[in-house]
Amino acid sequence: GENVEQHPSTLSVQEGDSAVIKCTYSDSASNYFPWYKQELGKRPQLIIDIRSNVGEKKDQRIAVTLNKTAKHFSLHITETQPEDSAVYFCAASRGGGSQGNLIFGKGTKLSVKP
Amino acid sequence: DGGITQSPKYLFRKEGQNVTLSCEQNLNHDAMYWYRQDPGQGLRLIYYSQIVNDFQKGDIAEGYSVSREKKESFPLTVTSAQKNPTAFYLCASSINGANVLTFGAGSRLTVL
Repeated sequence: GENVEQHPSTLSVQEGDSAVIKCTYSDSASNYFPWYKQELGKRPQLIIDIRSNVGEKKDQRIAVTLNKTAKHFSLHITETQPEDSAVYFCAASRGGGSQGNLIFGKGTKLSVKP
Repeated sequence: DGGITQSPKYLFRKEGQNVTLSCEQNLNHDAMYWYRQDPGQGLRLIYYSQIVNDFQKGDIAEGYSVSREKKESFPLTVTSAQKNPTAFYLCASSINGANVLTFGAGSRLTVL
């Protein structure tokens, strides 16, 4: 079946360094790729997303890149801060539909050390 | 709470008991979803509904049931047939035709 692989499962960086999280997906019909941030005990919050007709998208310190040929996409966080510490999930839409039926990766726990 | 309210926040259940988790949204979203979250497992789709009185099974529907009698409400029942129900349950909603999910704050179910 369709799946999304996410790496690494844990990531520790020093404050100010960059962090990169990578995901691969299996369904070639997927056309929407969001990233969610979940702080401990809280709900996932959308931080950035990208659609298949775009190769890169940036929002301040956060950027996402998409390689449709290789079926992988990545989250880049620059100038990390302690408040960036959280679990990050990537996801891919199921099939080519526009409904919110997403397949999630297993998450990356990011720790930013002051 | 972002327009989606889940209750209760914490719930304890004895083995063999059914329990119903509530999810209400005032965002006028057409579609609603239930995801289960386990440590290290990401989010897995249980059921989803794109319109009132209709719903579809997700990847792990066994042992769960839902109803969608009103646009605003999508309750999830965890039945005694669910072998490992202890988990964090997240409800979400979206506008039909859009992928962006808005999540509720979650309900943590513990089976004693």
